[in-house]
Amino acid sequence: EDQVTQSPEALRLQEGESSSLNCSYTVSGLRGLFWYRQDPGKGPEFLFTLYSAGEEKEKERLKATLTKKESFLHITAPKPEDSATYLCAVQANGNQFYFGTGTSLTVIP
Amino acid sequence: KAGVTQTPRYLIKTRGQQVTLSCSPISGHRSVSWYQQTPGQGLQFLFEYFSETQRNKGNFPGRFSGRQFSNSRSEMNVSTLELGDSALYLCASSFISSSTDTQYFGPGTRLTVL
Repeated sequence: EDQVTQSPEALRLQEGESSSLNCSYTVSGLRGLFWYRQDPGKGPEFLFTLYSAGEEKEKERLKATLTKKESFLHITAPKPEDSATYLCAVQANGNQFYFGTGTSLTVIP
Repeated sequence: KAGVTQTPRYLIKTRGQQVTLSCSPISGHRSVSWYQQTPGQGLQFLFEYFSETQRNKGNFPGRFSGRQFSNSRSEMNVSTLELGDSALYLCASSFISSSTDTQYFGPGTRLTVL
């Protein structure tokens, strides 16, 4: 069965304390893995797309990496404005998208 | 460039009623996808429309239906509402296809079924 699992469910960090969020997946044929950020009361905002194992992408304090079984979103020296829920989604061979339930990140000043 | 807009933002309905939600995609985008978001299940894919045709469908009962108009605006209808239909309904637009193009999400419609 195709599924996406994100961990941890919630993460509290001190400002400047780097960490990683995990997205593990089991799908029949990966076409792409996506990371989104969602703020309360808003729709998800696109961050990255990764297509193949070994691929990495960076944007400001965020870096996404991909292996054959999982993806990591590394947050370096986070700031309070990075507080949000981070969603991972996988596009399988049938073109359907499978989303994880997200990691709620809180960065404390 | 205006983003994806969804109306209404909030709805309260009672069991058995039906509801229609609207989504206007980013100008020039022709693909519209709908998702249901609940705390326990996360985002679940409902369906995708392109050029007024349903291109993909998720595993939801037939009470959930949609359509797309010639201007790419889309509506989603839920009939015979159940308590479990309470959720945030998100619409996402893509240039041609959610399979190849980035999806841009609207703010969602929060539906509460009493």
